[in-house]
Amino acid sequence: EAEVAQSPRYKITEKSQAVAFWCDPISGHATLYWYRQILGQGPELLVQFQDESVVDDSQLPKDRFSAERLKGVDSTLKIQPAELGDSAMYLCASRRSGTGAVNTEAFFGQGTRLTVV
Amino acid sequence: GENVEQHPSTLSVQEGDSAVIKCTYSDSASNYFPWYKQELGKGPQLIIDIRSNVGEKKDQRIAVTLNKTAKHFSLHITETQPEDSAVYFCAARGIYNQGGKLIFGQGTELSVKP
Repeated sequence: EAEVAQSPRYKITEKSQAVAFWCDPISGHATLYWYRQILGQGPELLVQFQDESVVDDSQLPKDRFSAERLKGVDSTLKIQPAELGDSAMYLCASRRSGTGAVNTEAFFGQGTRLTVV
Repeated sequence: GENVEQHPSTLSVQEGDSAVIKCTYSDSASNYFPWYKQELGKGPQLIIDIRSNVGEKKDQRIAVTLNKTAKHFSLHITETQPEDSAVYFCAARGIYNQGGKLIFGQGTELSVKP
């Protein structure tokens, strides 16, 4: 069964350092999402890609966060510099269709648990 | 924008009993409502979903109901088992204004006691 792959699974970093997460969506999925999940809360969208283009980054803290999906396949989310409040689970999800098609499921990866110390 | 409220935040049931989790949404344009199960340290896993053109959907012990007029939907788990213990999230998605992104509820921690 195809899965969304994320790495690393766990990351501990010191504040002010840079950190990066990687996501490989299910093959053929044009839409890719990065969500942040703070412990005890539901996931919140950071950025959404349609192929290689960003379609929604309204909730991305752009002064420190960046995301790219250069070839429209895998994606990288970066934080620089990391702050204590960035400690959370970072989830990647993918969906087969684009923004115009609503009735397709989104599948999540296992996430990257980030701890900033 | 869309807002999804989920209740209760915690739910404890005896094995074999039923569990019900309720969600309300604010955006009448939303037309897709999935439910995810998240086990500790793992990503959310889709367990059932419903589109706005139906009022109820069932898959074995799991069912979801949707009331578009009242803008609420519910997850029903019958004959609960200890392995059903997890955090459950409802979500809603619209068409044009939200670009297909899911808006999640706050989650319900379900505990099934043997």
